[in-house]
Amino acid sequence: LAKTTQPISMDSYEGQEVNITCSHNNIATNDYITWYQQFPSQGPRFIIQGYKTKVTNEVASLFIPADRKSSTLSLPRVSLSDTAVYYCLVGDGYSSASKIIFGSGTRLSIRP
Amino acid sequence: DAEITQSPRHKITETGRQVTLACHQTWNHNNMFWYRQDLGHGLRLIHYSYGVQDTNKGEVSDGYSVSRSNTEDLPLTLESAASSQTSVYFCASSGGGNEQFFGPGTRLTVL
Repeated sequence: LAKTTQPISMDSYEGQEVNITCSHNNIATNDYITWYQQFPSQGPRFIIQGYKTKVTNEVASLFIPADRKSSTLSLPRVSLSDTAVYYCLVGDGYSSASKIIFGSGTRLSIRP
Repeated sequence: DAEITQSPRHKITETGRQVTLACHQTWNHNNMFWYRQDLGHGLRLIHYSYGVQDTNKGEVSDGYSVSRSNTEDLPLTLESAASSQTSVYFCASSGGGNEQFFGPGTRLTVL
C-alpha cells in the first residue's frame, strides 16, 4: 500500500477556502485517492474519492494532477463544524477485498 | 437503515483479563476491520476479514484475535489485557474499494 504524506496541522478562519495537500509518490495504477474526516470521539467518515482530474460532491472537491503523485482536498467556505482530522489514503478502488492504511492525518482547526 | 454498532461503548478491565469487543453490521458487507486509535494518533489496523471463516492480521495484531462465523459479526478478543492496550477501538465494514463505514467506537481502559 502506498504511503501518503500530509501536513500535521492547519489553521483557518470561517468563510475561507481550505486546501489540504497530500503526496503519494508511489501510487499504483489501480489505486484511488480517498479522503476521510474524523470528528472528536467519532469514527472516520468517508468524504470523497477520485482517480484523476477533479471530483466534486456536496462536501468537498478533490484535485488530482496528471501524474497522480499528489492530491488536494478543497473545502469551500469552511465553518467551525469543519474542525476535524482529515486523512488522505490510497488503495485499490477496484478490489472487492481491499484494505486501507491510515496515516496520522491533518488536524484542521477553524477559528471564528 | 443499515448500520454498524459496537458494544460496549466503554469498558474498564484489569490487566490479565480476557476482553471481547463486539461489532455488528447490517450492511451485509463481506469485509470487516478492527482498528485501534491512541490519543492524538491515527488509526492502526489490528485484524481484518474478507468473509466468513476468513481472518487476517493487520499491523498491530499481537495480543488480539478475531473470528468470523457469520457475515454480520466480527468480535475482537484481547486474550490477556495489558495496559498498553488502553485505546479507542473502531470497527468498520466495507463492500469493497476504499469506502469503509465505521462504528461509534469502544473506549477501553486497562488498569
